[in-house]
Amino acid sequence: DADVTQTPRNRITKTGKRIMLECSQTKGHDRMYWYRQDPGLGLRLIYYSFDVKDINKGEISDGYSVSRQAQAKFSLSLESAIPNQTALYFCATSDTTGVGQPQHFGDGTRLSIL
Amino acid sequence: QQQVKQSPQSLIVQKGGISIINCAYENTAFDYFPWYQQFPGKGPALLIAIRPDVSEKKEGRFTISFNKSAKQFSLHIMDSQPGDSATYFCAASGASGTYKYIFGTGTRLKVLA
Repeated sequence: DADVTQTPRNRITKTGKRIMLECSQTKGHDRMYWYRQDPGLGLRLIYYSFDVKDINKGEISDGYSVSRQAQAKFSLSLESAIPNQTALYFCATSDTTGVGQPQHFGDGTRLSIL
Repeated sequence: QQQVKQSPQSLIVQKGGISIINCAYENTAFDYFPWYQQFPGKGPALLIAIRPDVSEKKEGRFTISFNKSAKQFSLHIMDSQPGDSATYFCAASGASGTYKYIFGTGTRLKVLA
Protein backbone atom coordinates (compact mmCIF):
# COMPACT_ATOMS: atom_id res chain seq x y z
CA ASP A 1 0.00 0.00 0.00
CA ALA A 2 1.16 3.53 -0.76
CA ASP A 3 2.46 5.63 2.15
CA VAL A 4 0.58 8.72 0.90
CA THR A 5 -2.80 8.02 -0.65
CA GLN A 6 -4.87 10.55 -2.55
CA THR A 7 -8.50 10.14 -3.52
CA PRO A 8 -9.97 10.43 -6.03
CA ARG A 9 -7.24 9.94 -8.66
CA ASN A 10 -9.31 11.64 -11.33
CA ARG A 11 -12.29 13.95 -11.11
CA ILE A 12 -14.29 15.85 -13.70
CA THR A 13 -16.80 18.36 -12.44
CA LYS A 14 -18.63 21.53 -13.40
CA THR A 15 -18.03 25.16 -12.59
CA GLY A 16 -19.55 26.18 -9.27
CA LYS A 17 -19.49 22.73 -7.69
CA ARG A 18 -17.89 22.07 -4.30
CA ILE A 19 -15.10 19.51 -4.45
CA MET A 20 -13.07 17.79 -1.78
CA LEU A 21 -9.77 16.06 -2.39
CA GLU A 22 -8.56 13.75 0.32
CA CYS A 23 -5.12 12.70 1.47
CA SER A 24 -4.17 10.08 4.03
CA GLN A 25 -0.74 8.92 5.11
CA THR A 26 0.72 6.00 6.99
CA LYS A 27 4.19 7.50 7.44
CA GLY A 28 3.44 8.99 10.85
CA HIS A 29 4.62 12.43 9.70
CA ASP A 30 3.31 15.58 11.34
CA ARG A 31 3.75 17.88 8.36
CA MET A 32 1.41 17.75 5.39
CA TYR A 33 1.20 19.87 2.25
CA TRP A 34 -1.07 20.48 -0.72
CA TYR A 35 0.46 21.48 -4.05
CA ARG A 36 -0.88 22.29 -7.44
CA GLN A 37 1.05 21.34 -10.60
CA ASP A 38 0.51 23.16 -13.90
CA PRO A 39 2.56 22.69 -17.08
CA GLY A 40 5.46 25.13 -17.15
CA LEU A 41 4.77 26.37 -13.63
CA GLY A 42 6.11 23.51 -11.54
CA LEU A 43 4.63 22.76 -8.13
CA ARG A 44 3.08 25.59 -6.16
CA LEU A 45 2.15 25.37 -2.50
CA ILE A 46 -1.53 25.87 -1.67
CA TYR A 47 -1.67 25.11 2.08
CA TYR A 48 0.48 23.37 4.64
CA SER A 49 0.01 22.04 8.14
CA PHE A 50 2.73 21.33 10.68
CA ASP A 51 0.38 19.55 13.08
CA VAL A 52 -3.34 19.03 13.64
CA LYS A 53 -3.80 22.49 15.16
CA ASP A 54 -1.61 24.35 12.69
CA ILE A 55 -2.81 25.40 9.21
CA ASN A 56 -0.95 27.87 7.02
CA LYS A 57 -1.58 29.47 3.66
CA GLY A 58 0.85 28.86 0.85
CA GLU A 59 1.54 31.02 -2.17
CA ILE A 60 -1.76 30.31 -3.99
CA SER A 61 -4.43 29.71 -1.31
CA ASP A 62 -7.21 31.88 -2.77
CA GLY A 63 -10.22 29.77 -3.74
CA TYR A 64 -9.10 26.82 -1.60
CA SER A 65 -9.59 25.68 1.98
CA VAL A 66 -8.19 22.76 3.96
CA SER A 67 -9.03 20.64 6.96
CA ARG A 68 -6.61 18.58 9.06
CA GLN A 69 -8.92 16.00 10.56
CA ALA A 70 -6.17 13.95 12.20
CA GLN A 71 -2.42 13.56 12.01
CA ALA A 72 -2.89 11.20 9.09
CA LYS A 73 -5.57 13.07 7.13
CA PHE A 74 -5.47 16.37 5.28
CA SER A 75 -8.20 17.37 2.85
CA LEU A 76 -8.36 20.16 0.28
CA SER A 77 -11.65 21.79 -0.70
CA LEU A 78 -12.65 23.96 -3.61
CA GLU A 79 -15.80 25.72 -2.39
CA SER A 80 -16.94 26.86 -5.82
CA ALA A 81 -14.79 25.39 -8.55
CA ILE A 82 -13.74 27.46 -11.54
CA PRO A 83 -12.09 26.30 -14.80
CA ASN A 84 -8.67 27.80 -14.00
CA GLN A 85 -8.46 25.42 -11.04
CA THR A 86 -8.10 22.59 -13.53
CA ALA A 87 -4.73 21.06 -12.60
CA LEU A 88 -2.90 18.15 -11.05
CA TYR A 89 -3.03 18.26 -7.25
CA PHE A 90 -0.50 16.60 -4.97
CA CYS A 91 -0.42 15.93 -1.27
CA ALA A 92 2.93 15.52 0.47
CA THR A 93 4.22 14.76 3.95
CA SER A 94 7.47 15.31 5.79
CA ASP A 95 9.00 14.49 9.13
CA THR A 96 9.67 17.09 11.83
CA THR A 97 13.23 16.26 12.75
CA GLY A 98 15.73 18.81 11.52
CA VAL A 99 15.94 21.02 8.51
CA GLY A 100 15.62 19.77 5.00
CA GLN A 101 13.57 16.68 5.54
CA PRO A 102 12.43 15.19 2.22
CA GLN A 103 8.82 15.49 1.24
CA HIS A 104 6.96 12.33 0.25
CA PHE A 105 4.30 12.75 -2.40
CA GLY A 106 1.14 10.92 -3.28
CA ASP A 107 0.38 10.04 -6.89
CA GLY A 108 -1.89 13.02 -7.39
CA THR A 109 -5.46 13.89 -8.31
CA ARG A 110 -6.13 15.06 -11.85
CA LEU A 111 -8.97 17.59 -11.59
CA SER A 112 -10.85 18.95 -14.60
CA ILE A 113 -13.43 21.69 -14.18
CA LEU A 114 -15.72 22.27 -17.12
CA GLN B 1 13.67 36.49 -3.91
CA GLN B 2 11.71 33.33 -3.34
CA GLN B 3 11.98 32.08 -6.91
CA VAL B 4 14.02 29.15 -8.13
CA LYS B 5 14.75 29.39 -11.85
CA GLN B 6 15.23 26.11 -13.70
CA SER B 7 16.52 25.46 -17.20
CA PRO B 8 16.15 24.05 -19.76
CA GLN B 9 12.41 23.43 -19.96
CA SER B 10 13.02 20.29 -22.03
CA LEU B 11 16.05 18.22 -22.91
CA ILE B 12 16.73 15.40 -25.36
CA VAL B 13 19.82 13.27 -24.83
CA GLN B 14 21.16 10.19 -26.54
CA LYS B 15 21.53 7.00 -24.53
CA GLY B 16 24.88 7.05 -22.75
CA GLY B 17 25.15 10.82 -22.84
CA ILE B 18 25.25 13.32 -19.99
CA SER B 19 22.09 15.19 -19.02
CA ILE B 20 22.57 18.53 -17.28
CA ILE B 21 19.81 20.56 -15.65
CA ASN B 22 20.49 23.90 -13.99
CA CYS B 23 18.83 25.88 -11.23
CA ALA B 24 19.47 29.31 -9.76
CA TYR B 25 18.13 30.92 -6.62
CA GLU B 26 18.15 34.38 -5.02
CA ASN B 27 17.56 33.88 -1.32
CA THR B 28 20.80 33.09 0.50
CA ALA B 29 18.80 31.79 3.47
CA PHE B 30 17.97 28.59 1.57
CA ASP B 31 19.95 25.71 3.04
CA TYR B 32 18.60 22.53 1.47
CA PHE B 33 18.47 21.80 -2.24
CA PRO B 34 16.72 18.61 -3.35
CA TRP B 35 16.07 17.24 -6.80
CA TYR B 36 12.87 15.34 -7.50
CA GLN B 37 12.10 12.92 -10.33
CA GLN B 38 8.56 12.47 -11.62
CA PHE B 39 7.27 9.80 -13.98
CA PRO B 40 3.91 10.19 -15.76
CA GLY B 41 1.01 9.35 -13.48
CA LYS B 42 3.16 9.43 -10.37
CA GLY B 43 4.07 11.93 -7.73
CA PRO B 44 7.54 13.47 -7.52
CA ALA B 45 10.08 11.33 -5.67
CA LEU B 46 13.28 12.52 -4.03
CA LEU B 47 16.29 11.72 -6.18
CA ILE B 48 19.21 13.42 -4.45
CA ALA B 49 19.73 16.45 -2.21
CA ILE B 50 22.57 18.71 -1.07
CA ARG B 51 23.32 21.17 1.71
CA PRO B 52 25.35 24.33 0.93
CA ASP B 53 28.34 23.24 3.00
CA VAL B 54 29.49 20.90 0.21
CA SER B 55 30.12 21.62 -3.47
CA GLU B 56 29.24 18.23 -4.88
CA LYS B 57 27.25 15.14 -3.99
CA LYS B 58 27.19 11.95 -6.00
CA GLU B 59 24.81 9.01 -5.81
CA GLY B 60 25.34 6.45 -8.52
CA ARG B 61 24.92 8.11 -11.91
CA PHE B 62 23.40 11.25 -10.36
CA THR B 63 25.52 14.18 -9.18
CA ILE B 64 24.58 17.58 -7.76
CA SER B 65 27.08 20.37 -8.28
CA PHE B 66 26.59 23.37 -6.00
CA ASN B 67 28.09 26.84 -6.45
CA LYS B 68 27.27 28.89 -3.38
CA SER B 69 28.84 32.14 -4.59
CA ALA B 70 26.92 32.02 -7.87
CA LYS B 71 23.75 30.79 -6.13
CA GLN B 72 23.43 28.00 -8.64
CA PHE B 73 23.15 24.23 -8.51
CA SER B 74 22.85 21.61 -11.18
CA LEU B 75 21.95 17.97 -11.67
CA HIS B 76 24.18 15.81 -13.84
CA ILE B 77 22.97 12.41 -15.02
CA MET B 78 25.87 10.38 -16.32
CA ASP B 79 25.40 7.54 -18.83
CA SER B 80 21.77 8.59 -19.33
CA GLN B 81 19.33 5.73 -19.95
CA PRO B 82 15.86 5.62 -21.51
CA GLY B 83 14.53 4.77 -18.05
CA ASP B 84 15.73 8.18 -16.88
CA SER B 85 13.13 9.82 -19.14
CA ALA B 86 11.02 11.82 -16.70
CA THR B 87 10.38 15.33 -15.44
CA TYR B 88 12.94 16.68 -13.00
CA PHE B 89 12.30 19.42 -10.45
CA CYS B 90 14.84 21.29 -8.40
CA ALA B 91 13.76 22.88 -5.13
CA ALA B 92 15.09 25.02 -2.33
CA SER B 93 14.09 25.03 1.31
CA GLY B 94 14.99 26.42 4.70
CA ALA B 95 14.37 30.13 4.31
CA SER B 96 12.38 32.07 6.93
CA GLY B 97 12.71 29.27 9.46
CA THR B 98 10.20 27.05 7.73
CA TYR B 99 10.53 23.84 5.82
CA LYS B 100 8.54 24.90 2.80
CA TYR B 101 9.90 24.04 -0.60
CA ILE B 102 10.14 26.46 -3.49
CA PHE B 103 10.16 24.38 -6.66
CA GLY B 104 11.64 25.15 -10.05
CA THR B 105 9.37 24.91 -13.08
CA GLY B 106 10.61 21.47 -14.14
CA THR B 107 12.63 19.94 -16.98
CA ARG B 108 11.21 17.23 -19.18
CA LEU B 109 14.04 14.85 -20.06
CA LYS B 110 13.82 12.38 -22.91
CA VAL B 111 16.64 9.88 -23.40
CA LEU B 112 16.70 8.33 -26.86
CA ALA B 113 17.51 4.64 -27.14
